[in-house]
Amino acid sequence: DTGVSQDPRHKITKRGQNVTFRCDPISEHNRLYWYRQTLGQGPEFLTYFQNEAQLEKSRLLSDRFSAERPKGSFSTLEIQRTEQGDSAMYLCASSLTGEGRNYGYTFGSGTRLTVV
Amino acid sequence: LAKTTQPISMDSYEGQEVNITCSHNNIATNDYITWYQQFPSQGPRFIIQGYKTKVTNEVASLFIPADRKSSTLSLPRVSLSDTAVYYCLVGGSGGYQKVTFGIGTKLQVIP
Repeated sequence: DTGVSQDPRHKITKRGQNVTFRCDPISEHNRLYWYRQTLGQGPEFLTYFQNEAQLEKSRLLSDRFSAERPKGSFSTLEIQRTEQGDSAMYLCASSLTGEGRNYGYTFGSGTRLTVV
Repeated sequence: LAKTTQPISMDSYEGQEVNITCSHNNIATNDYITWYQQFPSQGPRFIIQGYKTKVTNEVASLFIPADRKSSTLSLPRVSLSDTAVYYCLVGGSGGYQKVTFGIGTKLQVIP
C-alpha cells in the first residue's frame, strides 16, 4: 500500500463550473477525512466518514459541497458552481481507530484547486 | 474539545536541538497528543503521538508532563530539511474531526 492517493494534484476551473476530486485511502483504515487548507493557515475540517457513513460535516461545507464514500473505499468530493473563494488545497486523510484510540492521520498530497 | 496554543515561528541553526512546546490546558482524559509536520504543497505528515511521560521514535521525542496540560516536541540535531510547519493536535478515539489545525509553528533552520 502506497499511502493516501489524491487525484488530480492540480485543477484549474472557471467560476461556476463543477469539479470532483478523488481520494483513495489506506485500505485498512476505517476513517476518511476531507480538509481544506488556504495559504498560511492550518487545515480546516470539512467532513469525515466511518466506513461508508458520513458522520460529521463542518458548517464550512455549504450546499455546493458534497462528499461520498461508496462501499467504504475511495471517496469523492464534489464542488458545484465553484466560486473564487473555493480556491484552496483540498486534503484527504485516513486513519485507523480502535481500542479507544485514534492512531493519527495519514494525509494525501492534496488537490490544489484554482478557480479563475 | 481541547484547544492548543503554539509559538507562531522559531529559528534554529543546523545541528541544534529544537524544542517546540504546545499548551493544551483543557485536554480530556482520553485525549492523545499528536504532532504533524508539513512541507509546502504537501499534506501534513504524522511525526509522533503520546499520552503521557515520554515517547521517542526515530525522528523525534515527545515529552508530556504529569498534568498533560502541555507537551514538547523535541527534534534532535535539526537539518535544513526540517524547515517546515509543525502542528500539535489533541484528540481521543473520536479523532480530531472538529479540530482545525491552527496555524502551527513555522520552524526555519538556518545554515
